[in-house]
Amino acid sequence: GEDVEQSLFLSVREGDSSVINCTYTDSSSTYLYWYKQEPGAGLQLLTYIFSNMDMKQDQRLTVLLNKKDKHLSLRIADTQTGDSAIYFCAVATNDYKLSFGAGTTVTVRA
Amino acid sequence: KAGVTQTPRYLIKTRGQQVTLSCSPISGHRSVSWYQQTPGQGLQFLFEYFSETQRNKGNFPGRFSGRQFSNSRSEMNVSTLELGDSALYLCASSFTAGTSKWQETQYFGPGTRLLVL
Repeated sequence: GEDVEQSLFLSVREGDSSVINCTYTDSSSTYLYWYKQEPGAGLQLLTYIFSNMDMKQDQRLTVLLNKKDKHLSLRIADTQTGDSAIYFCAVATNDYKLSFGAGTTVTVRA
Repeated sequence: KAGVTQTPRYLIKTRGQQVTLSCSPISGHRSVSWYQQTPGQGLQFLFEYFSETQRNKGNFPGRFSGRQFSNSRSEMNVSTLELGDSALYLCASSFTAGTSKWQETQYFGPGTRLLVL
């Protein structure tokens, strides 16, 4: 099956940029997603990128995809305290499911 | 447009009981998926339904079952509950134009938090 790996923790100062990294194993992956989960809540879709794209920008969010290295990253510009949450990388394949990483806990310090 | 809704939001059961969780997808969405989230195992895929047909099932015992109705609403059932079934159960829906390749974005509900005592 698909393996998706993420670093577990990231601490960033308010106003700085955050970069969350993710690697995956299945080269047939179609869509790749970033979800955000706040305490006690479900998963909020932040952004996604199709596998034939290298980059996607959406306001403060930039997604970079290196398909050769199977590496995905999410950059959050001007990180705010409201960005403190767990961020999940998820990969869709052709068997109707998402494979998730373990999640990166982002802590924004003043 | 209303998001994915799940009921109930919280549930407490005892070992051996069974439970049914409900999910109403976003209007017009025809695919519903279920995931289990636990601190130890993370997010794990349970099953996916489209037009009342289960297209994929995760690696869970037969105690976990689901179904989808003609209006796309879905239920999942867990029988003979075990302590390890305590988790957040998340439902997601996507539009799915009916093509053979599953590509549409999945939107998640708030989840049902199940505690088994």
